[in-house]
Amino acid sequence: ETGVTQSPTHLIKTRGQQVTLRCSSQSGHNTVSWYQQALGQGPQFIFQYYREEENGRGNFPPRFSGLQFPNYSSELNVNALELDDSALYLCASSFPGQGAQGYTFGSGTRLTVV
Amino acid sequence: QKEVEQNSGPLSVPEGAIASLNCTYSDRGSQSFFWYRQYSGKSPELIMSIYSNGDKEDGRFTAQLNKASQYVSLLIRDSQPSDSATYLCAVNLNAGFQKLVFGTGTRLLVSP
Repeated sequence: ETGVTQSPTHLIKTRGQQVTLRCSSQSGHNTVSWYQQALGQGPQFIFQYYREEENGRGNFPPRFSGLQFPNYSSELNVNALELDDSALYLCASSFPGQGAQGYTFGSGTRLTVV
Repeated sequence: QKEVEQNSGPLSVPEGAIASLNCTYSDRGSQSFFWYRQYSGKSPELIMSIYSNGDKEDGRFTAQLNKASQYVSLLIRDSQPSDSATYLCAVNLNAGFQKLVFGTGTRLLVSP
């Protein structure tokens, strides 16, 4: 097991709704990154949090937002869901600089927007 | 031009053969290179990392890096049906924070 846990595993939402996805970091990891993987595509970087601050963001609109808590767990929030938001959402935790060694991803949350 | 490019496949090889997976990247400043394996419906699993030119071997897997040609490859020797999966190439760009850029993946099918 990776030590990074995500919840829920599957989720179905209606267009226009809001969703919150959760990630529990591996013990001691203070950096968490979120990725979106659409069907047939590679994961795309959404953003990264370090010590509760966003310190990098990919090409995603502001309706994608996040939080990191003092225990380093994290949330990804998506407002005004669109059909194209249907994807596998992955989080990965790491130490600063460890990301250069490659992430270990959680098992992911499969979001379906109908 | 995409930042990381892979042939989507499928690449079909018989059991016991060598599977060769290729990846090119556009940013010459890229520092770290990774291969992930992803089974259908599962999250990507890191199988190899490589940082300097040349070959790196780990069991049946060999990663090859050529920074001058901006090319990364993965060789799988003695391919097994259990190796059938999508293989994702990822590059850590030379950014101020850790960010992996992935290719779209190559689907590998190993037939018994």
